[in-house]
Amino acid sequence: EAGVTQFPSHSVIEKGQTVTLRCDPISGHDNLYWYRRVMGKEIKFLLHFVKESKQDESGMPNNRFLAERTGGTYSTLKVQPAELEDSGVYFCASSHGGELFFGEGSRLTVL
Amino acid sequence: AQTVTQSQPEMSVQEAETVTLSCTYDTSESDYYLFWYKQPPSRQMILVIRQEAYKQQNATENRFSVNFQKAAKSFSLKISDSQLGDAAMYFCAYRTPNFGNEKLTFGTGTRLTIIP
Repeated sequence: EAGVTQFPSHSVIEKGQTVTLRCDPISGHDNLYWYRRVMGKEIKFLLHFVKESKQDESGMPNNRFLAERTGGTYSTLKVQPAELEDSGVYFCASSHGGELFFGEGSRLTVL
Repeated sequence: AQTVTQSQPEMSVQEAETVTLSCTYDTSESDYYLFWYKQPPSRQMILVIRQEAYKQQNATENRFSVNFQKAAKSFSLKISDSQLGDAAMYFCAYRTPNFGNEKLTFGTGTRLTIIP
């Protein structure tokens, strides 16, 4: 069974550009989470989808971040326009009401 | 709000020796879950061990065990007979026991190096 996959693994963009990160959860997992780790800091919760609905988006830093989950399958996280402080590793995780399974993360570098 | 603190940014241990990683947390809840996750370089983060707060017995998974001190709000991870494959970032995490909501609060992580 395929695990949680994230794309791209690493993205380097300039300040002001747009980046879209994608997460494919484990098939059948209704719960999908996005987290972010800024260098040296803790991993912070961004938001939680249940199927296609946003259950909790209290961790989204500002309106430059837009998350979607089309049809309750894969999810995208768009950052527009990107700022320097958005650099970090973005993790996706999915679950079916139990253990969380994480992807390898997408490293974003904003220059 | 709950917080998780890992005071050791880096630790190292000789292969086959034992190492203990520290974690403290703050919460006003009486029931919750605590976790240790491991992230090897360029790999997925995986669950190492889990502890339910209402259970007094410390969780154990093979070479991994925890020392859970609820009153002190301490949750340390002991790795016995360290192996090269144990090298990774280790994150301590907390969550409340709400079904269908696995939102985790993480610490800053401890980078563990295994010395051959």
